[in-house]
Amino acid sequence: RKEVEQDPGPFNVPEGATVAFNCTYSNSASQSFFWYRQDCRKEPKLLMSVYSSGNEDGRFTAQLNRASQYISLLIRDSKLSDSATYLCVSTFQGAQKLVFGQGTRLTINP
Amino acid sequence: EAQVTQNPRYLITVTGKKLTVTCSQNMNHEYMSWYRQDPGLGLRQIYYSMNVEVTDKGDVPEGYKVSRKEKRNFPLILESPSPNQTSLYFCASRGRLGKNIQYFGAGTRLSVL
Repeated sequence: RKEVEQDPGPFNVPEGATVAFNCTYSNSASQSFFWYRQDCRKEPKLLMSVYSSGNEDGRFTAQLNRASQYISLLIRDSKLSDSATYLCVSTFQGAQKLVFGQGTRLTINP
Repeated sequence: EAQVTQNPRYLITVTGKKLTVTCSQNMNHEYMSWYRQDPGLGLRQIYYSMNVEVTDKGDVPEGYKVSRKEKRNFPLILESPSPNQTSLYFCASRGRLGKNIQYFGAGTRLSVL
């Protein structure tokens, strides 16, 4: 079983829709969690950190459920520019080790 | 401008011919790491370094070497490349107080024939 698992998609949704991704992790020692965004053939870039209390950044909301060991990302009012692959990341060992999910591919259609 | 620079961006080589992919960062970061990205497997950590002369294995270190003689540089060395090392490679760096934000290089696409 992979340490961080994501549904690879692809997800195709119309512009303006709300879309949600989940990610599960197996290592209960995982300390911190993040969502990264990766455009085609480009490097990953940090989208947002994920806090236990949940956090929001504009149209993006991230949630962490430690009891069930899953992380979610919600995108409201999706834009064409949100088309990308979204990577779920967990860290442990004092953030020395980062474990990436395989990514969820999202395409927003006009 | 804060940057992580990898070279080369694209490389085609043959089995057994030693190669080095360079990585340099200008942010004075302590932490640097190398990843490979393969379809269906996501990003996997090869090696990481917490500071100068301190390196450690990640999840897939076999067939790779690294060195950290200077803070800004963290080259990835393939002594005898094999076709299963054909992949997209990313170097990343993070500051000690960087709130775990990793900055990635633009990637190196390697093909081993």
